[in-house]
Amino acid sequence: DSGVTQTPKHLITATGQRVTLRCSPRSGDLSVYWYQQSLDQGLQFLIHYYNGEERAKGNILERFSAQQFPDLHSELNLSSLELGDSALYFCASSPSGDISYGYTFGSGTRLTVV
Amino acid sequence: GESVGLHLPTLSVQEGDNSIINCAYSNSASDYFIWYKQESGKGPQFIIDIRSNMDKRQGQRVTVLLNKTVKHLSLQIAATQPGDSAVYFCAEHYGQNFVFGPGTRLSVLP
Repeated sequence: DSGVTQTPKHLITATGQRVTLRCSPRSGDLSVYWYQQSLDQGLQFLIHYYNGEERAKGNILERFSAQQFPDLHSELNLSSLELGDSALYFCASSPSGDISYGYTFGSGTRLTVV
Repeated sequence: GESVGLHLPTLSVQEGDNSIINCAYSNSASDYFIWYKQESGKGPQFIIDIRSNMDKRQGQRVTVLLNKTVKHLSLQIAATQPGDSAVYFCAEHYGQNFVFGPGTRLSVLP
């Protein structure tokens, strides 16, 4: 157990729907990062939050949004889902906003859009 | 569990042999590098890291080599075991986040 908790583990939904993925960082970690991993691609950075504020954005679609709450958990909202959004979504956390010491990843949420 | 990267390059090694996994990174300004291991159905797991002011770093059964001249990183696993079978990613720290390589699948043969 890495200490980073993601729920749900699996999610199956239809095109056009909206889902919310949840991440609780390791105790004491202030930063949360979201990554998408498709079957034929590596890990693609989506967004980074530090202590409730957005720090950096990567290749995140406008249909996707995220937030980090005062208790430091984070949610990734995916709307108007398309078949191509099917992927593993990982959350990672780190102690500070400085990622020079690497991340700790959760076990991911597997999203299947049908 | 669902396989990651169905079309990844694959390295097959005999149990007990040494493995070398290579990675070309993209940015000469990257200052920190990490190797991650991802087993089927799990999230990436930290293996070893190295900063750009070093050429080599050793851990338990693993060694990372950094060649900044050609922007190349390698991971050496000594006495490869069945439990080492996984996808291995290198990640470079550039800008405000890590950029991950496409990954290499390591298959350990009995």
